[in-house]
Amino acid sequence: SQQGEEDPQALSIQEGENATMNCSYKTSINNLQWYRQNSGRGLVHLILIRSNEREKHSGRLRVTLDTSKKSSSLLITASRAADTASYFCATRGYQKVTFGTGTKLQVIP
Amino acid sequence: GAGVSQSPRYKVAKRGQDVALRCDPISGHVSLFWYQQALGQGPEFLTYFQNEAQLDKSGLPSDRFFAERPEGSVSTLKIQRTQQEDSAVYLCASTRGLAETTDTQYFGPGTRLTVL
Repeated sequence: SQQGEEDPQALSIQEGENATMNCSYKTSINNLQWYRQNSGRGLVHLILIRSNEREKHSGRLRVTLDTSKKSSSLLITASRAADTASYFCATRGYQKVTFGTGTKLQVIP
Repeated sequence: GAGVSQSPRYKVAKRGQDVALRCDPISGHVSLFWYQQALGQGPEFLTYFQNEAQLDKSGLPSDRFFAERPEGSVSTLKIQRTQQEDSAVYLCASTRGLAETTDTQYFGPGTRLTVL
């Protein structure tokens, strides 16, 4: 079963706008990761945030983590058409990595 | 070096057939994972290897699913007597270190299995 649930399930924005995706999870974690999956391609790791971190930046990506609410958000600033993809959060327990249901992002040029 | 590769990329099987899916992880990577991704869903964990040892197979949906990594490198996921509900993309991932670390998982392109 899926550990996390992303919200919204689908998001459509204009190029240049910011996109925010949220992830909620159920059990305690060691870290949380965000992945991108383009149509027909494999998953690409974007960013990892540890359970003792609250915020992390990487380029146009900003991730927050609230372990008390068991939630995380991914912000993509100044979106580009190439950001069109599905985005998944994934939580890592002892050994297993558990993925959420994904947010499908469409960036319109 | 080369990334994770999987073969075949596409497989069509008639219900009841056996299939074998191959994963070549990044050379030297200790950990290897298999996931099943149904259409419109996130990947679901199937099994995990540390070198040749299968340490977690809790995600395998039935005893028709079997995975091996005999020499600690290439892995094969075998599905016996395929059913239509087995239709999915099967993803393989590897990490340099142990699964308990924060190492990045590198994913292969997946094998899309369609069972008719």
